[in-house]
Amino acid sequence: RKEVEQDPGPFNVPEGATVAFNCTYSNSASQSFFWYRQDCRKEPKLLMSVYSSGNEDGRFTAQLNRASQYISLLIRDSKLSDSATYLCVVRRNTNAGKSTFGDGTTLTVKP
Amino acid sequence: NAGVTQTPKFQVLKTGQSMTLQCAQDMNHNSMYWYRQDPGMGLRLIYYSASEGTTDKGEVPNGYNVSRLNKREFSLRLESAAPSQTSVYFCASSEAIGTNYGYTFGSGTRLTVV
Repeated sequence: RKEVEQDPGPFNVPEGATVAFNCTYSNSASQSFFWYRQDCRKEPKLLMSVYSSGNEDGRFTAQLNRASQYISLLIRDSKLSDSATYLCVVRRNTNAGKSTFGDGTTLTVKP
Repeated sequence: NAGVTQTPKFQVLKTGQSMTLQCAQDMNHNSMYWYRQDPGMGLRLIYYSASEGTTDKGEVPNGYNVSRLNKREFSLRLESAAPSQTSVYFCASSEAIGTNYGYTFGSGTRLTVV
């Protein structure tokens, strides 16, 4: 079993739709959580950290459930520019803070 | 701000050739990492360096070596390239552990081994 598992996708949604991605992690020692965005043939870029109380950044909301070892990302009012691959990442605060990346979920927002 | 700079951006090698991928960061980060990304797969950690003077193996270290030259620079060397090492290589750096800071990635090196 992979340490970080994501919905495989792809997700194809119309502009303006709300879409949610899920991610589960298996290592209970994981302490920091992130969502990254990766555009085609580009490097991953940090989208947002995920806090225990949940957090919001504009149209993006991230949730963490430590008991269920589950992370989610909600995108409201999808834009064409949201089309990308979204990577779920967990990080341990030991061993140089190594991060484990999920395989990513691809989102395509269509007009 | 340059962030993380990787060179070269593209490289084609013949089987058996060697090369070094260079990475430098200007954010005064302690930790640096090398990942590879293959189609349909997530990023896999090759080597990492918690701080200047230390390096450790990641998930897929075979066929690679690294050098943490100083706090800014972390290079990845392929001693004898194999077709299985065809991939996109990303260098990343990060603040000290125990924070909610993520990684900053370089723009990647696309390597083809023929």
